[in-house]
Amino acid sequence: AQTVTQSQPEMSVQEAETVTLSCTYDTSESDYYLFWYKQPPSRQMILVIRQEAYKQQNATENRFSVNFQKAAKSFSLKISDSQLGDAAMYFCAYCQGAQKLVFGQGTRLTINP
Amino acid sequence: GAVVSQHPSWVICKSGTSVKIECRSLDFQATTMFWYRQFPKQSLMLMATSNEGSKATYEQGVEKDKFLINHASLTLSTLTVTSAHPEDSSFYICSARHGAAPGELFFGEGSRLTVL
Repeated sequence: AQTVTQSQPEMSVQEAETVTLSCTYDTSESDYYLFWYKQPPSRQMILVIRQEAYKQQNATENRFSVNFQKAAKSFSLKISDSQLGDAAMYFCAYCQGAQKLVFGQGTRLTINP
Repeated sequence: GAVVSQHPSWVICKSGTSVKIECRSLDFQATTMFWYRQFPKQSLMLMATSNEGSKATYEQGVEKDKFLINHASLTLSTLTVTSAHPEDSSFYICSARHGAAPGELFFGEGSRLTVL
């Protein structure tokens, strides 16, 4: 079974600085998708960024970018120019085939003003 | 983006009663919806996959008779927690698939269930 591991329960960063959240996963498949979701205090899950495993180029969405290392099965999220509104729980997720998302344990990100 | 709505957002019930939670896709048709459970400070655990017009597919360890899922239309899936007990208290989240691309999932706001 696929597993997703986020080894950082909590992270904090100064406003306007850059922070990187780690994620590793385990799979024997070669074609799959990886995601980062944000869950703010409102609890609604919001898609931050998506990466297709067959694409070598790292996905970027404005201030959010990923470092996808397929061989190492690593998928980290970099948030540049951190803003107070970025404070939330961040979940790394894996999806393959049946579109069942497998989530990591989550990382709570705090932004210090 | 696509909108998924859950109702109620918060419910308190007595032990032994049943509670129904609705998940609606407001501006698109969803043939597949997913139900998750999230305990405090923990991740989302998939409970079941709800397919329109057919029986739900439950994950291992999830009691089918305890958590009844019905997907009667392309815009509505319901989760009924039967004979609720305090250990069923949790945050329940649904998501609906929109589009063909994997991961095109949109999440509802979640429903917090507290069983007294």
